[in-house]
Amino acid sequence: DIQMTQSPSSLSASVGDRVTITCRASQSIASYLNWYQQKPGKAPNLLIYAASSLQSGVPSRISGSGSGTDFTLTISSLQPEDFATYYCQLSYTTSLTFGGGTKVEIK
Amino acid sequence: QVQLQESGPGLVKPSETLSLTCSVSGDSISSYYWSWIRQPPGEGLEWIGYISYSGGTTYNPSLKSRVTISVDTSKNQFSLSLSSVTAADTAVYYCARVSPYYYGSGTYSFYFDFWGPGTLVTVSS
Repeated sequence: DIQMTQSPSSLSASVGDRVTITCRASQSIASYLNWYQQKPGKAPNLLIYAASSLQSGVPSRISGSGSGTDFTLTISSLQPEDFATYYCQLSYTTSLTFGGGTKVEIK
Repeated sequence: QVQLQESGPGLVKPSETLSLTCSVSGDSISSYYWSWIRQPPGEGLEWIGYISYSGGTTYNPSLKSRVTISVDTSKNQFSLSLSSVTAADTAVYYCARVSPYYYGSGTYSFYFDFWGPGTLVTVSS
């Protein structure tokens, strides 16, 4: 089974900061990766699919990159509404495993 | 706009079967695949499985022996059944729409673009 490992598990940042979250696959997965944002008490919200494609309605300050085993989610200028937990997801049709999550907190 | 809504008992006894239904509005269930995901309190997300509009299923291997997902196209609903539950199955259960992304090579991947609000199921006697 392919394992998805996110780092860090949590981080503290200020409004306006550039934030980068990393997701590493235990073996190469090309660009088969999605990213979601989840706020407390709410369902996850799709941000990025196919590693770098921005979902409709998601602000352009959010971007995804990477291929193979190493992927990043970047928020170029953190906004108050971006404080949340972020999950990567393997997007094989036979395995849709999530990473452990990264909680972005206010510094 | 597609909307999904989970429904079912909020409390299930250990060793019994958890049953949930997801009602879909704003879209035909026959046009997409549909999935269940769960999240234990304070923990991360776990994909359970998905069903195609034709009834074909794919399950998480870790749950496969206990999971059944079915679809009722006449009601625009799909359902989850999880047998022999224990306290470890206590979680918020989400249903979601599965959409495909097609790569130029002819392969494709999946993503979850619409989700229900989730329903908490507690396993306790």
